[in-house]
Amino acid sequence: GESVGLHLPTLSVQEGDNSIINCAYSNSASDYFIWYKQESGKGPQFIIDIRSNMDKRQGQRVTVLLNKTVKHLSLQIAATQPGDSAVYFCAEKASGTYKYIFGTGTRLKVLA
Amino acid sequence: NAGVTQTPKFRVLKTGQSMTLLCAQDMNHEYMYWYRQDPGMGLRLIHYSVGEGTTAKGEVPDGYNVSRLKKQNFLLGLESAAPSQTSVYFCASSYSDTTEAFFGQGTRLTVV
Repeated sequence: GESVGLHLPTLSVQEGDNSIINCAYSNSASDYFIWYKQESGKGPQFIIDIRSNMDKRQGQRVTVLLNKTVKHLSLQIAATQPGDSAVYFCAEKASGTYKYIFGTGTRLKVLA
Repeated sequence: NAGVTQTPKFRVLKTGQSMTLLCAQDMNHEYMYWYRQDPGMGLRLIHYSVGEGTTAKGEVPDGYNVSRLKKQNFLLGLESAAPSQTSVYFCASSYSDTTEAFFGQGTRLTVV
């Protein structure tokens, strides 16, 4: 069943192409950022994180870029696969606080 | 390694009924959280705990209570359910306040 918003922005990409998902964060004091993937009917799954002392971090097929000047975060997925279809959202957190602030998400659709 | 386990997965309540959602984690995490997820909105923090025997309010605590009697368990209670509490509830845990949160699979609650 559907567990996330029905009117999320949607990014459609061809299988094999690269995907870029963007996120604008709100708190200039945030110093820890996470990207999550959420498949329909499931809980959010950790993909990659980055701290504010970095501007780029790479994982397996994924790269996160952080631009603190404009408070922007992006997730790049290389060679997008059908299994990447999901809702992706970013989370931010400021040190000394216990609260993660979550974005509303972007739906990624991978076209065969 | 089960990670974060939520029970039940689905529940339908009548207005005014009470229930308790159980969250269990086997990662020895200090921090535990309860979120709700509604269409078009990001995850919103209901309550959280920074250790056994401690709880604190998040951004939408009204109508909910929590308890953390054991480190591995975090219970969310609804004393008198209202239709506005129809949502998908997620429990999460983290090792510290500077590491990623791991989520359960969610509980879909409908209040009629």
